[in-house]
Amino acid sequence: AQSVSQHNHHVILSEAASLELGCNYSYGGTVNLFWYVQYPGQHLQLLLKYFSGDPLVKGIKGFEAEFIKSKFSFNLRKPSVQWSDTAEYFCAVNRGQRGSQGNLIFGKGTKLSVKP
Amino acid sequence: DSGVTQTPKHLITATGQRVTLRCSPRSGDLSVYWYQQSLDQGLQFLIQYYNGEERAKGNILERFSAQQFPDLHSELNLSSLELGDSALYFCASSRGGEQYFGPGTRLTVT
Repeated sequence: AQSVSQHNHHVILSEAASLELGCNYSYGGTVNLFWYVQYPGQHLQLLLKYFSGDPLVKGIKGFEAEFIKSKFSFNLRKPSVQWSDTAEYFCAVNRGQRGSQGNLIFGKGTKLSVKP
Repeated sequence: DSGVTQTPKHLITATGQRVTLRCSPRSGDLSVYWYQQSLDQGLQFLIQYYNGEERAKGNILERFSAQQFPDLHSELNLSSLELGDSALYFCASSRGGEQYFGPGTRLTVT
């Protein structure tokens, strides 16, 4: 069955540190990849997405992610985190071409705590 | 604000009861998805509707059902509730492959 793995359950960083959150998926066909963020008490917000093309995608709030097809990975990065980035981050995948209406399969999430 | 609305925000009910959660998608979005978020299971897909018809089913219990109405709003019905059904229930709507999530309904079963 298709699955998404996020290796870090909880990451604690100081402000201005660099961030990389790992995400691997298990599906050999065409996939669309997403990172969502959930701030405390809020709903999921789309940070960035990859459908096709340039494997380095830029999202909101200075986040970016790199799709490495050979490694089935879609890691999230940010050069310098801020206290306001404290949240839970979810990697998700659905199958199919761009614009697929398929449901999302989510990883377990990574909690990021940024110390001021 | 994603444009997806869900009511109620919070629901507290007893075991064995039945509740209905409501979702209104973003204007023009035909697909509605329901997800359950719990501490032990994480975010799990329950069911999808597209323009009034069931499109896909995930890990949805037989005690749960959903429907999408002609005005495209959707309702998730949860019956014979158990303590383990306590969770956040999100709906999402989609256009162009991106899913936009509502604020969720927090269900507490006591």
